[in-house]
Amino acid sequence: NAGVMQNPRHLVRRRGQEARLRCSPMKGHSHVYWYRQLPEEGLKFMVYLQKENIIDESGMPKERFSAEFPKEGPSILRIQQVVRGDSAAYFCASSQANQETQYFGPGTRLLVL
Amino acid sequence: GENVEQHPSTLSVQEGDSAVIKCTYSDSASNYFPWYKQELGKRPQLIIDIRSNVGEKKDQRIAVTLNKTAKHFSLHITETQPEDSAVYFCAASIDDYKLSFGAGTTVTVRA
Repeated sequence: NAGVMQNPRHLVRRRGQEARLRCSPMKGHSHVYWYRQLPEEGLKFMVYLQKENIIDESGMPKERFSAEFPKEGPSILRIQQVVRGDSAAYFCASSQANQETQYFGPGTRLLVL
Repeated sequence: GENVEQHPSTLSVQEGDSAVIKCTYSDSASNYFPWYKQELGKRPQLIIDIRSNVGEKKDQRIAVTLNKTAKHFSLHITETQPEDSAVYFCAASIDDYKLSFGAGTTVTVRA
């Protein structure tokens, strides 16, 4: 059973470009969470999604950031017009329905030049 | 929202000694407390978790204790080994999904 998959593992963007981060949950998991980790800091909750539904996006910046988890395919975290402050590691986690245990992916390390 | 504080930020122990990391949380409604281990450049990995209806849980060399009245919980690692060196994060959750993480403890086990 493959774990949570994320791609790309590393992403370099110039200021103003768009970044798309993908997350495939573990098999059988229908809940996806995105977290951001700045260097030498803990993880900060961004958004919680179920298939075709955003359940809680209270940790997402109001502008430039969006997330989706379509009926088919991976969850996508999209950052438009990236700025240097967006440079961070973005981790996705997944869980089964009605289970609190979250399993994390390897992360995508975004560097904005 | 929930606020989790974690101490110490760094911890150096001699191989074979015990390591203790402490966390406090602010919201008494929190009911789920996982601990994650993160090695450099790797994903956070769940090592143990506890729910608010349990005071202590143990898994081999790792144990977690929870004091609901004082709103703090601790991770205990006994007989530490070099492979225990990593960053450890505590977290708390009110609603079983939004994890609020501590800032992390960098544990170094000296051989």
